[in-house]
Amino acid sequence: NAGVMQNPRHLVRRRGQEARLRCSPMKGHSHVYWYRQLPEEGLKFMVYLQKENIIDESGMPKERFSAEFPKEGPSILRIQQVVRGDSAAYFCASSPTGILAGGPDTQYFGPGTRLTVL
Amino acid sequence: AQSVTQPDIHITVSEGASLELRCNYSYGATPYLFWYVQSPGQGLQLLLKYFSGDTLVQGIKGFEAEFKRSQSSFNLRKPSVHWSDAAEYFCAVGDTGGGNKLTFGTGTQLKVEL
Repeated sequence: NAGVMQNPRHLVRRRGQEARLRCSPMKGHSHVYWYRQLPEEGLKFMVYLQKENIIDESGMPKERFSAEFPKEGPSILRIQQVVRGDSAAYFCASSPTGILAGGPDTQYFGPGTRLTVL
Repeated sequence: AQSVTQPDIHITVSEGASLELRCNYSYGATPYLFWYVQSPGQGLQLLLKYFSGDTLVQGIKGFEAEFKRSQSSFNLRKPSVHWSDAAEYFCAVGDTGGGNKLTFGTGTQLKVEL
């Protein structure tokens, strides 16, 4: 399966712990996006990354949240000192060209990680 | 700032009936438009997209959508709904300014009655 992979699919954390969410893009894709879906809401953009670069982090909360996409390995979304309000589904998407295309690009989504904070 | 409105939160149709899901967008230039479908507990699957050209776009699973610039709309249609179409449908507009992020509507939950 060459689709976007996310793990874990379900993650339970207690308040104050750290959550690490992983995303492996589709083969041949070097652009990764993270979105958050709160209950009963649509997806909200968080961050857009290329390998070793953050392109747009305008949707990231200012504190406790960080993202990286290293040269080797998956993209990581890290949430420090989680709170109950962080409980949500976190989706990763990837695309082949991103802003390099200078035009339209299509994002393909993974199955998501459902984070529950107790 | 770009935005997407899906005015119908829930829609119920009978199997075999036609379907139209509404989507209105706000964007300063020619938008890139998408429809995604999400089954319970699953990720999003791309149904179709509009970038340019023919304003009637065909997608997977028998879906189509029509871009109407004058109405700022991109409504999704299917002539005959199947029970397996029950899911949540999201309309999204893409940022053509270089950021490439998607702005989603709040979704329409489709229920299909047998």
